[in-house]
Amino acid sequence: DAGITQSPRYKITETGRQVTLMCHQTWSHSYMFWYRQDLGHGLRLIYYSAAADITDKGEVPDGYVVSRSKTENFPLTLESATRSQTSVYFCASSESGGSSYNEQFFGPGTRLTVL
Amino acid sequence: AQKITQTQPGMFVQEKEAVTLDCTYDTSDQSYGLFWYKQPSSGEMIFLIYQGSYDEQNATEGRYSLNFQKARKSANLVISASQLGDSAMYFCAIETGFQKLVFGTGTRLLVSP
Repeated sequence: DAGITQSPRYKITETGRQVTLMCHQTWSHSYMFWYRQDLGHGLRLIYYSAAADITDKGEVPDGYVVSRSKTENFPLTLESATRSQTSVYFCASSESGGSSYNEQFFGPGTRLTVL
Repeated sequence: AQKITQTQPGMFVQEKEAVTLDCTYDTSDQSYGLFWYKQPSSGEMIFLIYQGSYDEQNATEGRYSLNFQKARKSANLVISASQLGDSAMYFCAIETGFQKLVFGTGTRLLVSP
């Protein structure tokens, strides 16, 4: 399917477990992003990537790891999940240059619950 | 650091009326972009409209327009002729470089018949 997909859509895990959230886009967009959405905070940037093998921290990176070996994939790993990481996670992608602005296209989100 | 402030947690409007959702921003950059996204109850994020800091005209996209007042650092979203399907959360965001976005906390809009 064309577009940006996330898996799983729902995940329940326990404190201390490692969890990986997957993000895949079919547009060959250069930029990819991970946000978390919590009540009262809107969306906050966790990590972003400008291209394959180029990643950098966002506003709330602690406890998360990312990689981007291929342009189309941008997995987010919680190395040792904590209850405070219970949230809805959104992946997004955007093009690089070529127009006056580059809107971000968002995936459907992953609802993660850490017990 | 860039910041977005949305002071209206919730707004109510009757169908067919216009509504303004407030957004103020703080940035030291000379060049920046402002975005509005809609999030219906189904959860997806839908891009609505964009305003560049150097754009002389206020952006418009169908029933959506952006009231951009650069000196006041405000970028209010105006929805004309509200429809029941406009009921959703609305987020204002500012681009901070490398296309990163900083979002506000959102405004929940409820459109009543």
